[in-house]
Amino acid sequence: GAGVSQSPSNKVTEKGKDVELRCDPISGHTALYWYRQSLGQGLEFLIYFQGNSAPDKSGLPSDRFSAERTGGSVSTLTIQRTQQEDSAVYLCASSLALASGSRYNEQFFGPGTRLTVL
Amino acid sequence: GNSVTQMEGPVTLSEEAFLTINCTYTATGYPSLFWYVQYPGEGLQLLLKATKADDKGSNKGFEATYRKETTSFHLEKGSVQVSDSAVYFCALIRPGGSNYKLTFGKGTLLTVNP
Repeated sequence: GAGVSQSPSNKVTEKGKDVELRCDPISGHTALYWYRQSLGQGLEFLIYFQGNSAPDKSGLPSDRFSAERTGGSVSTLTIQRTQQEDSAVYLCASSLALASGSRYNEQFFGPGTRLTVL
Repeated sequence: GNSVTQMEGPVTLSEEAFLTINCTYTATGYPSLFWYVQYPGEGLQLLLKATKADDKGSNKGFEATYRKETTSFHLEKGSVQVSDSAVYFCALIRPGGSNYKLTFGKGTLLTVNP
């Protein structure tokens, strides 16, 4: 089956514009994650969705960042009024729900969206 | 808080050389430990994992042993190939309420020359 897909693969935008990044998780995966990979900060957790539970947004760096997951499948990460420091690769991952007694979910990553803010 | 420190790259080796990439961690409790690999143009892939002290994770000739006493999870391979050229990330998940947040090291770029 298909893996996690993300679109666009590359996005160049001007400072102040809004951008939307899309993630299609693996079919049947109920958990979805967004991470950011930047030169200065490395790989950082942004947000986590699990089924119908309230998402964990604790990693979002500012209120310009938001994410939605419609119908428990596709997710969109929106960055409003982009700044140059938002330039990074945005990675999406998905996993099965945590099994009882399991210590972790294996997260499967997409290829990422490279965002460049000029 | 939780953190992962891995050796700075880049690392350049010749084919069939021995590889070690050091990784140490700081976390409360007993985290699960991982090595992820990112090949050029591809997404992160789980390479190997260990969930408790003294566990050895292994895959594709790579090995790493969970050392609680030294809080380390060093990645090793006895004979690298050109196809191993990639960025390697050490990571942990802390058990408990947020047992889904991966905390990553900054990554180590490995280049293997023929």
